[in-house]
Amino acid sequence: GQQLNQSPQSMFIQEGEDVSMNCTSSSIFNTWLWYKQDPGEGPVLLIALYKAGELTSNGRLTAQFGITRKDSFLNISASIPSDVGIYFCAGRRGGATNKLIFGTGTLLAVQP
Amino acid sequence: GAGVSQSPSNKVTEKGKDVELRCDPISGHTALYWYRQSLGQGLEFLIYFQGNSAPDKSGLPSDRFSAERTGGSVSTLTIQRTQQEDSAVYLCASSSGTSGRGPSETQYFGPGTRLLVL
Repeated sequence: GQQLNQSPQSMFIQEGEDVSMNCTSSSIFNTWLWYKQDPGEGPVLLIALYKAGELTSNGRLTAQFGITRKDSFLNISASIPSDVGIYFCAGRRGGATNKLIFGTGTLLAVQP
Repeated sequence: GAGVSQSPSNKVTEKGKDVELRCDPISGHTALYWYRQSLGQGLEFLIYFQGNSAPDKSGLPSDRFSAERTGGSVSTLTIQRTQQEDSAVYLCASSSGTSGRGPSETQYFGPGTRLLVL
């Protein structure tokens, strides 16, 4: 199935560092979402973006909906050990179906 | 319960056997989705139910896969004659609204069923 291009694939950082990851697509989406998945759990929504150019924050997380509607990024500031997990972007084109197209994921490891 | 629940949590089966995976969405949610997550991969859309509308089956990988949703609530994903490449985590999600934008479209995921086909 189709997947979005997400980078980097993995990141190993020190506690307190900032993190940035992004997603790109060859086609336009009208919604961009960022999820986090912990081991053995389903993905949990972190941030939802509904408008091109939109910049939204959720605590230490900030995400932006690219102007071209073909990309999005997620920043995590001052990382902490509990930020460890896999982060997925997801896009939705809208229309008759609400299915999400997911990125390949970014594995984040934070060393205390 | 408060969230999406799935059963079984884990399923080990032999190649060629049929399996049924169950999803209980959040009460009152009209939309239900099935995704598949292979090892080290993102989620792959399988099928989408919305109210009484015909489901969007465009993501089902073969005719061995089928799903139904009874009474607008519980859904069952069936895989017939399982193959080793079917091994994956099968995730169910539900949302409260119809297609569009906004918080009603937030998809809440269950913990998944880990399927291993030997």
